[in-house]
Amino acid sequence: QQQVKQSPQSLIVQKGGISIINCAYENTAFDYFPWYQQFPGKGPALLIAIRPDVSEKKEGRFTISFNKSAKQFSLHIMDSQPGDSATYFCAGSGHNFNKFYFGSGTKLNVKP
Amino acid sequence: GAGVSQSPSNKVTEKGKDVELRCDPISGHTALYWYRQSLGQGLEFLIYFQGNSAPDKSGLPSDRFSAERTGGSVSTLTIQRTQQEDSAVYLCASSLTVKEGLGNTIYFGEGSWLTVV
Repeated sequence: QQQVKQSPQSLIVQKGGISIINCAYENTAFDYFPWYQQFPGKGPALLIAIRPDVSEKKEGRFTISFNKSAKQFSLHIMDSQPGDSATYFCAGSGHNFNKFYFGSGTKLNVKP
Repeated sequence: GAGVSQSPSNKVTEKGKDVELRCDPISGHTALYWYRQSLGQGLEFLIYFQGNSAPDKSGLPSDRFSAERTGGSVSTLTIQRTQQEDSAVYLCASSLTVKEGLGNTIYFGEGSWLTVV
């Protein structure tokens, strides 16, 4: 059973546009939701994370929106840049944080 | 070290051979994770260590897979009698001691690319 479902699988956005990636989770015990960014040949790196006690978290051009009742959360990249082109993974984790369940990833291509 | 270090970075092996993948976590990180990433796929959890013990081995796909960690530091993932479906990137990650109630950032290495031919 896939604990975290992510869409779309790939995304093409023009420079300056808004990139939106969506995730849905099943396990109501999850209480930590990070997003990771992965460039080719590199390991994933933490981008931004949210806990369910807030509905939105913003860091620079990156914003997480969280809907606890719908068990959904999304990543918004404002003013998308070619340097944002990467694969993005959402994840969920339980209160003891010893395992992260990752979504299947979204390959973002920002065209100049 | 400055980051999570993995070796080898690339490994091509023949079907049926055994392989060992090594992970050197960030100094001071007591938690260590192994994930597998197949081509174009997400991250599949394999095993987690807290210190030298592995409280969660639930992700190991078969008994051909095993992992150990010694001295609370370096970990080795061993795959015996490799099969073509084992071809993937094996990612190691580490974090500080798990603290209940707090988000725990995990830091990934660059992975070991395994190709079984």
